[in-house]
Amino acid sequence: NAGVTQTPKFRVLKTGQSMTLLCAQDMNHEYMYWYRQDPGMGLRLIHYSVGEGTTAKGEVPDGYNVSRLKKQNFLLGLESAAPSQTSVYFCASSYERDRAFFGQGTRLTVV
Amino acid sequence: GDSVTQMEGPVTLSEEAFLTINCTYTATGYPSLFWYVQYPGEGLQLLLKATKADDKGSNKGFEATYRKETTSFHLEKGSVQVSDSAVYFCALSDRPGNTPLVFGKGTRLSVIA
Repeated sequence: NAGVTQTPKFRVLKTGQSMTLLCAQDMNHEYMYWYRQDPGMGLRLIHYSVGEGTTAKGEVPDGYNVSRLKKQNFLLGLESAAPSQTSVYFCASSYERDRAFFGQGTRLTVV
Repeated sequence: GDSVTQMEGPVTLSEEAFLTINCTYTATGYPSLFWYVQYPGEGLQLLLKATKADDKGSNKGFEATYRKETTSFHLEKGSVQVSDSAVYFCALSDRPGNTPLVFGKGTRLSVIA
């Protein structure tokens, strides 16, 4: 009964470092999303996927890359972290047009 | 493109007060509409949803009615509790397929005893 699991939950990076956030879902959902949440900004879509092997850009894709090699996993990569990428990152999954299930979030600080 | 506009917060209410959080949307298709809630330190969870015009979604005393003519989906609760303090997000998922969820900016609600 895991739902959507994000790893890690917390991370501190130095400027210029790289990292990958992993999102895993066990509900066989086609759609997966990565959002960032900043104070006063609500949720902003970074990238999303409508099925295995597909990805698409969202509202704020610059500085991020994604991959969906397996249906259950959606990876978000930061190649060269910047302080502006300090945020809380949420992964979500859904069936088409249906409710989304969210992970617990990853709090990332770039110093 | 699709968008969701919800009232700016924060909203502070006394316990047992009536709550309304306004939400309006623009969509190219015929969307499903949602309210999500985020408690401190947690991810978002679905509060209620409606998939067609005049549908009323309800859960935990909260209600919202899908009004196609006014493109609105306002959240209401007759008597709020301290435990309702959270951030509330209005969202839509549009036709056709392959369109991602679109969220409003969220409204922070604080309920004081």
